[in-house]
Amino acid sequence: GNSVTQMEGPVTLSEEAFLTINCTYTATGYPSLFWYVQYPGEGLQLLLKATKADDKGSNKGFEATYRKETTSFHLEKGSVQVSDSAVYFCALKGGGFKTIFGAGTRLFVKA
Amino acid sequence: DADVTQTPRNRITKTGKRIMLECSQTKGHDRMYWYRQDPGLGLQLIYYSFDVKDINKGEISDGYSVSRQAQAKFSLSLESAIPNQTALYFCATSDVGQGNTGELFFGEGSRLTVL
Repeated sequence: GNSVTQMEGPVTLSEEAFLTINCTYTATGYPSLFWYVQYPGEGLQLLLKATKADDKGSNKGFEATYRKETTSFHLEKGSVQVSDSAVYFCALKGGGFKTIFGAGTRLFVKA
Repeated sequence: DADVTQTPRNRITKTGKRIMLECSQTKGHDRMYWYRQDPGLGLQLIYYSFDVKDINKGEISDGYSVSRQAQAKFSLSLESAIPNQTALYFCATSDVGQGNTGELFFGEGSRLTVL
């Protein structure tokens, strides 16, 4: 079945550092891929998405590229801010209705 | 106001009590979901509903039941709460239709503690 694996956290960075959160997936066909973000005390919200191979999703300085050859969708940001501290979830949606989530990666950014 | 509203936001109860978590949405979406979030486990699907007459079990439905009272309302019940149901619960909605990628829209969550 479909699955998502993302790097374990927590990840602790200083402000302005480069961020990478790794995400790999297993799926049949051509799923859509998502990154959701959960800020403290809030629900998840969509950060970015990509629907086909080689697509790059981007939002708020974050980027992720849909790599079918490596079945990956790594999240990157060039310069993190304290306000980026949150839990990040990689997710996929295949041909059916169901969205599969990774376990989440908590990011702490220090001033 | 939030598009997906959950009540209560926090609840502490005792083992054996009946608990209902409510969800309402103003997005006009047909599909609604209940997820459970536990640390390190991501989100697990409890129940989902594609319309008022269509309700389906998810991965971890044992010990839970749901009711879809209207297109906009989807409630989750714990008939007899137990401590391992202590978790953060999320309601979510999604749209359907041509070209839709299935993005989920989440409520702010209901934190349930069962003593």
